[in-house]
Amino acid sequence: GQNIDQPTEMTATEGAIVQINCTYQTSGFNGLFWYQQHAGEAPTFLSYNVLDGLEEKGRFSSFLSRSKGYSYLLLKELQMKDSASYLCAVIYNQGGKLIFGQGTELSVKP
Amino acid sequence: DAGVIQSPRHEVTEMGQEVTLRCKPISGHNSLFWYRQTMMRGLELLIYFNNNVPIDDSGMPEDRFSAKMPNASFSTLKIQPSEPRDSAVYFCASSPGVKARREKLFFGSGTQLSVL
Repeated sequence: GQNIDQPTEMTATEGAIVQINCTYQTSGFNGLFWYQQHAGEAPTFLSYNVLDGLEEKGRFSSFLSRSKGYSYLLLKELQMKDSASYLCAVIYNQGGKLIFGQGTELSVKP
Repeated sequence: DAGVIQSPRHEVTEMGQEVTLRCKPISGHNSLFWYRQTMMRGLELLIYFNNNVPIDDSGMPEDRFSAKMPNASFSTLKIQPSEPRDSAVYFCASSPGVKARREKLFFGSGTQLSVL
Protein backbone atom coordinates (compact mmCIF):
# COMPACT_ATOMS: atom_id res chain seq x y z
CA GLY A 1 0.00 0.00 0.00
CA GLN A 2 0.92 3.66 0.09
CA ASN A 3 0.25 4.40 3.73
CA ILE A 4 0.35 8.08 4.55
CA ASP A 5 0.16 8.66 8.27
CA GLN A 6 -0.53 11.86 10.16
CA PRO A 7 -2.03 12.57 13.59
CA THR A 8 -5.80 12.68 13.67
CA GLU A 9 -6.10 15.88 15.63
CA MET A 10 -4.05 18.57 17.34
CA THR A 11 -4.80 21.58 19.51
CA ALA A 12 -2.72 24.75 19.79
CA THR A 13 -2.99 28.25 21.17
CA GLU A 14 -3.39 31.44 19.16
CA GLY A 15 0.01 33.03 18.50
CA ALA A 16 1.91 29.78 19.06
CA ILE A 17 3.76 27.46 16.66
CA VAL A 18 2.52 24.01 15.70
CA GLN A 19 4.18 21.22 13.71
CA ILE A 20 2.08 18.63 11.88
CA ASN A 21 3.98 15.49 10.91
CA CYS A 22 3.42 13.15 8.00
CA THR A 23 5.11 9.84 7.18
CA TYR A 24 4.70 7.97 3.93
CA GLN A 25 5.89 4.95 2.00
CA THR A 26 8.99 5.97 0.06
CA SER A 27 8.77 3.54 -2.86
CA GLY A 28 7.76 5.40 -6.02
CA PHE A 29 7.78 8.79 -4.31
CA ASN A 30 7.61 11.75 -6.69
CA GLY A 31 6.59 14.72 -4.59
CA LEU A 32 4.61 15.79 -1.53
CA PHE A 33 1.86 18.36 -1.10
CA TRP A 34 0.16 19.95 1.89
CA TYR A 35 -3.44 21.10 1.54
CA GLN A 36 -5.68 23.00 3.93
CA GLN A 37 -9.38 22.20 4.19
CA HIS A 38 -11.83 24.26 6.21
CA ALA A 39 -15.02 22.53 7.33
CA GLY A 40 -17.51 22.24 4.50
CA GLU A 41 -15.08 23.55 1.91
CA ALA A 42 -12.76 22.13 -0.73
CA PRO A 43 -9.05 21.51 -0.07
CA THR A 44 -6.74 24.35 -1.09
CA PHE A 45 -3.04 24.12 -1.91
CA LEU A 46 -0.48 25.17 0.71
CA SER A 47 2.91 23.81 -0.34
CA TYR A 48 4.88 21.41 -2.50
CA ASN A 49 8.18 19.60 -1.73
CA VAL A 50 10.13 17.30 -4.01
CA LEU A 51 13.69 17.88 -2.73
CA ASP A 52 14.97 17.53 0.82
CA GLY A 53 14.81 20.61 2.97
CA LEU A 54 12.57 23.41 4.10
CA GLU A 55 10.23 25.46 1.91
CA GLU A 56 9.05 28.66 3.56
CA LYS A 57 6.01 30.65 2.54
CA GLY A 58 4.96 33.33 4.97
CA ARG A 59 3.70 31.86 8.23
CA PHE A 60 3.72 28.34 6.75
CA SER A 61 6.78 26.16 6.10
CA SER A 62 7.05 22.59 4.89
CA PHE A 63 9.96 20.20 5.36
CA LEU A 64 10.84 17.00 3.52
CA SER A 65 13.25 14.14 4.16
CA ARG A 66 12.97 11.67 1.28
CA SER A 67 15.23 9.05 2.84
CA LYS A 68 13.11 8.95 5.99
CA GLY A 69 9.75 9.21 4.24
CA TYR A 70 8.93 12.15 6.48
CA SER A 71 7.49 15.63 6.12
CA TYR A 72 6.13 18.26 8.42
CA LEU A 73 4.08 21.40 8.07
CA LEU A 74 5.03 24.21 10.43
CA LEU A 75 2.52 26.95 11.19
CA LYS A 76 3.77 30.04 13.00
CA GLU A 77 1.92 32.87 14.73
CA LEU A 78 -1.24 30.82 14.77
CA GLN A 79 -4.52 32.56 14.10
CA MET A 80 -8.04 31.41 14.81
CA LYS A 81 -8.67 31.11 11.07
CA ASP A 82 -5.95 28.43 10.88
CA SER A 83 -8.39 26.00 12.52
CA ALA A 84 -8.88 23.47 9.71
CA SER A 85 -7.90 20.04 8.52
CA TYR A 86 -4.39 19.76 7.06
CA LEU A 87 -3.92 17.06 4.45
CA CYS A 88 -0.62 15.51 3.47
CA ALA A 89 -0.63 14.11 -0.09
CA VAL A 90 2.00 12.20 -2.06
CA ILE A 91 2.47 11.72 -5.79
CA TYR A 92 3.58 8.20 -6.58
CA ASN A 93 5.39 7.10 -9.72
CA GLN A 94 5.28 8.92 -13.02
CA GLY A 95 1.55 8.60 -13.44
CA GLY A 96 0.71 11.56 -11.28
CA LYS A 97 -1.53 9.68 -8.87
CA LEU A 98 -1.97 11.93 -5.83
CA ILE A 99 -2.81 10.03 -2.65
CA PHE A 100 -4.05 11.84 0.44
CA GLY A 101 -3.55 11.07 4.11
CA GLN A 102 -6.53 11.13 6.47
CA GLY A 103 -5.81 14.70 7.50
CA THR A 104 -4.98 16.35 10.82
CA GLU A 105 -7.76 18.38 12.41
CA LEU A 106 -6.14 21.44 13.99
CA SER A 107 -8.03 23.47 16.58
CA VAL A 108 -6.62 26.86 17.49
CA LYS A 109 -7.81 28.14 20.87
CA PRO A 110 -7.66 31.72 22.18
CA ASP B 1 -11.39 32.23 -14.02
CA ALA B 2 -14.46 30.52 -12.57
CA GLY B 3 -12.48 27.61 -11.18
CA VAL B 4 -13.62 24.00 -11.20
CA ILE B 5 -17.41 23.88 -11.32
CA GLN B 6 -19.35 20.96 -9.91
CA SER B 7 -23.07 20.29 -9.94
CA PRO B 8 -25.22 19.69 -8.10
CA ARG B 9 -23.91 21.02 -4.74
CA HIS B 10 -26.26 18.71 -2.87
CA GLU B 11 -28.03 15.55 -3.98
CA VAL B 12 -30.47 13.52 -1.91
CA THR B 13 -31.74 10.33 -3.47
CA GLU B 14 -33.21 6.98 -2.58
CA MET B 15 -31.35 3.71 -2.65
CA GLY B 16 -31.44 2.14 -6.08
CA GLN B 17 -31.69 5.39 -7.99
CA GLU B 18 -29.16 6.54 -10.56
CA VAL B 19 -27.01 9.51 -9.59
CA THR B 20 -24.99 11.64 -12.01
CA LEU B 21 -22.42 14.13 -10.78
CA ARG B 22 -20.99 16.72 -13.16
CA CYS B 23 -17.73 18.60 -13.39
CA LYS B 24 -16.34 21.35 -15.57
CA PRO B 25 -12.56 21.66 -15.13
CA ILE B 26 -10.59 24.88 -15.44
CA SER B 27 -10.13 25.78 -19.09
CA GLY B 28 -6.75 24.65 -20.39
CA HIS B 29 -6.17 22.05 -17.67
CA ASN B 30 -5.20 18.65 -19.01
CA SER B 31 -5.84 16.42 -16.01
CA LEU B 32 -9.07 15.75 -14.14
CA PHE B 33 -9.53 13.80 -10.91
CA TRP B 34 -12.56 12.47 -9.05
CA TYR B 35 -12.21 12.04 -5.27
CA ARG B 36 -14.62 10.88 -2.60
CA GLN B 37 -14.38 12.08 1.01
CA THR B 38 -15.87 10.46 4.10
CA MET B 39 -15.08 10.74 7.77
CA MET B 40 -13.99 7.13 7.94
CA ARG B 41 -11.80 6.92 4.85
CA GLY B 42 -10.75 10.50 4.20
CA LEU B 43 -10.12 11.68 0.65
CA GLU B 44 -9.94 8.75 -1.77
CA LEU B 45 -8.95 8.95 -5.42
CA LEU B 46 -11.58 7.24 -7.57
CA ILE B 47 -10.33 7.87 -11.10
CA TYR B 48 -8.30 10.35 -13.09
CA PHE B 49 -8.06 11.42 -16.71
CA ASN B 50 -5.21 12.85 -18.74
CA ASN B 51 -6.23 14.59 -21.97
CA ASN B 52 -9.75 13.10 -21.59
CA VAL B 53 -8.39 9.53 -21.38
CA PRO B 54 -8.93 7.49 -18.18
CA ILE B 55 -5.50 6.63 -16.78
CA ASP B 56 -6.21 4.92 -13.48
CA ASP B 57 -9.62 3.78 -12.27
CA SER B 58 -8.36 1.39 -9.61
CA GLY B 59 -10.05 3.48 -6.93
CA MET B 60 -13.53 3.04 -8.37
CA PRO B 61 -15.29 0.98 -5.71
CA GLU B 62 -17.25 -1.35 -7.95
CA ASP B 63 -19.07 -1.69 -11.23
CA ARG B 64 -21.87 0.53 -10.00
CA PHE B 65 -19.50 3.47 -10.49
CA SER B 66 -18.56 4.80 -13.91
CA ALA B 67 -16.90 7.99 -15.12
CA LYS B 68 -16.63 9.63 -18.51
CA MET B 69 -14.88 12.60 -19.99
CA PRO B 70 -16.33 13.14 -23.48
CA ASN B 71 -14.38 16.37 -24.02
CA ALA B 72 -11.86 18.62 -22.31
CA SER B 73 -14.49 20.72 -20.58
CA PHE B 74 -16.83 18.15 -19.06
CA SER B 75 -16.80 15.00 -16.98
CA THR B 76 -19.45 12.90 -15.26
CA LEU B 77 -19.37 10.40 -12.41
CA LYS B 78 -22.35 8.08 -12.40
CA ILE B 79 -23.55 5.70 -9.68
CA GLN B 80 -26.13 3.13 -10.70
CA PRO B 81 -27.74 1.82 -8.58
CA SER B 82 -26.88 4.01 -5.61
CA GLU B 83 -26.58 2.61 -2.08
CA PRO B 84 -26.55 4.31 1.35
CA ARG B 85 -22.82 3.57 1.74
CA ASP B 86 -22.17 5.81 -1.27
CA SER B 87 -23.13 8.83 0.83
CA ALA B 88 -20.10 11.14 0.84
CA VAL B 89 -18.75 14.38 -0.58
CA TYR B 90 -17.52 13.89 -4.13
CA PHE B 91 -14.83 16.31 -5.29
CA CYS B 92 -13.66 16.97 -8.80
CA ALA B 93 -10.23 18.53 -9.29
CA SER B 94 -8.15 19.59 -12.26
CA SER B 95 -4.49 20.39 -12.84
CA PRO B 96 -2.67 22.05 -15.74
CA GLY B 97 -0.27 19.25 -16.70
CA VAL B 98 -0.62 15.67 -17.79
CA LYS B 99 1.46 14.11 -15.05
CA ALA B 100 0.44 16.48 -12.27
CA ARG B 101 4.05 16.54 -11.14
CA ARG B 102 4.82 19.80 -9.37
CA GLU B 103 1.37 21.00 -10.26
CA LYS B 104 -1.21 21.54 -7.63
CA LEU B 105 -4.78 20.41 -7.91
CA PHE B 106 -7.61 22.89 -8.05
CA PHE B 107 -10.69 21.48 -6.37
CA GLY B 108 -14.33 22.16 -7.06
CA SER B 109 -16.73 22.88 -4.21
CA GLY B 110 -17.85 19.27 -4.10
CA THR B 111 -21.18 17.47 -4.29
CA GLN B 112 -22.69 16.33 -0.98
CA LEU B 113 -24.46 13.07 -1.81
CA SER B 114 -26.94 11.48 0.57
CA VAL B 115 -28.46 8.13 -0.36
CA LEU B 116 -31.40 7.22 1.86
